[in-house]
Amino acid sequence: AQTVTQSQPEMSVQEAETVTLSCTYDTSESDYYLFWYKQPPSRQMILVIRQEAYKQQNATENRFSVNFQKAAKSFSLKISDSQLGDAAMYFCAYRPNAGGTSYGKLTFGQGTILTVHP
Amino acid sequence: DGGITQSPKYLFRKEGQNVTLSCEQNLNHDAMYWYRQDPGQGLRLIYYSQIVNDFQKGDIAEGYSVSREKKESFPLTVTSAQKNPTAFYLCASSIATSGTDKGELFFGEGSRLTVL
Repeated sequence: AQTVTQSQPEMSVQEAETVTLSCTYDTSESDYYLFWYKQPPSRQMILVIRQEAYKQQNATENRFSVNFQKAAKSFSLKISDSQLGDAAMYFCAYRPNAGGTSYGKLTFGQGTILTVHP
Repeated sequence: DGGITQSPKYLFRKEGQNVTLSCEQNLNHDAMYWYRQDPGQGLRLIYYSQIVNDFQKGDIAEGYSVSREKKESFPLTVTSAQKNPTAFYLCASSIATSGTDKGELFFGEGSRLTVL
């Protein structure tokens, strides 16, 4: 079974600085997706960034970027120029891209609470 | 606007009662999912459905039941057999059709169930 581990229950950063959230996963699949979702106090899950395993290039979305190390099964999220609105719970998630009944299922990590200090 | 609507947002239940959480989507997505969120445990999959009239158990299906009679609807019933039902419940959907599916799930705003 696939597992996703976020080893940092809480992280903090000063406004305008950079912070990196860690995620590791375990799978025997070669084709899959990885995601970072943000859950603000409203509890609405918002997609931050997506990485397709077959793409070697790290995904980037504005101030958010990932460091995807497929061999090490590591998928960290870097937030640059942190803003107060970035404060939230962040979840790393894995999804196999194989067919069958497992298609579409996301497995989530335990989450990391990010605090942004003004 | 397209999206996923969950209701009610807050629900209180007495022990021994069944309760049904509603989830409706107008995104024309094939697949729908129910996740449970507890503090410190992330999201855990309860049930999912890839097509109408078909669904599969997730990792924590015991004490829950679902139906998928319409593409846009995927209600979750929390039965009296669920020993610790107090939690935050999230419904999600995805395209689930290879070629157009970018893999992501779209989420509703959640339902908070409290057992008194």
